Amino acid sequence: QLQLQESGPGLVKPSETLSLTCTVSGGSISSSSYYWGWIRQPPGKGLEWIGSIYYSGSTYYNPSLKSRVTISVDTSKNQFSLKLSSVTAADTAVYYCASLYSSSWLVSWGQGTLVTVSS
Amino acid sequence: DIQMTQSPSSLSASVGDRVTITCRASQGISNYLAWYQQKPGKVPKLLIYAASTLQSGVPSRFSGSGSGTDFTLTISSLQPEDVATYYCQKYNSAPRELTFGGGTKVEIK
Repeated sequence: QLQLQESGPGLVKPSETLSLTCTVSGGSISSSSYYWGWIRQPPGKGLEWIGSIYYSGSTYYNPSLKSRVTISVDTSKNQFSLKLSSVTAADTAVYYCASLYSSSWLVSWGQGTLVTVSS
Repeated sequence: DIQMTQSPSSLSASVGDRVTITCRASQGISNYLAWYQQKPGKVPKLLIYAASTLQSGVPSRFSGSGSGTDFTLTISSLQPEDVATYYCQKYNSAPRELTFGGGTKVEIK
C-alpha cells in the first residue's frame, strides 16, 4: 500500500518560491505503473491539478501554472518535489501529493499540507 | 482545453434516496473519467475510474456511467456516511493533463 507524505514550509512570503517535497513509502517511485502528481485546494474551494512527473523525469503541467511550476524527482530518495515561483495570496491552499495510475486517476493521496502565502 | 462541468453544485436528499450527479465534458473524452469523494476535512478518495469501474473497497451502492461528454455518478441508496463533496476528473493520454469538475456537495435532508 503506497503511502505519501508532504513536507515543507507552511508559510511563504509573497513573490517568493513555494517548495514542497513528497516522500513515497510502501513502494518504489521508479514503478513503471505510476506517475506522481501535485494537486492543490484553496480553502473552501475545489481541486486543481498542478502537474505530474514520471520517474524518468518527464513532466506535465497545468497550462495555467506552467510558467511558475517545476516538478522534479529524486529516485534515490523515493521523493518528488514541487517548486512554485512568484507566489501570491491566491496560491494559499492545501497542497496534496498523489500517485497516478498510468498518468490517469489518482490512487493514493498524501494527507495534504496547508501553505499560506503572507508577509 | 477541455472543461468539466458538474451539476448540481449541491443537493440535499433523504437517507435511502437515489442520488445522481452529472459531469459534462466540453469535448469527448471517451471513458477517461474518474470520480472522487471528499468528506469534510478529509483527503479525497478514489471511487470510480474509467467512468464505470468501482475502485476496490468502495461500496456497491456507488456506480458510474457514461462515455463521450456526459457522465453520471449514482448513489443507489444514500447513507449518512455519504455526506461529502464529489468531484469528477478527466484524464488524457495526450497531453497528459488532468482537469477536475467544480464539485457537488451532498447533504442529508
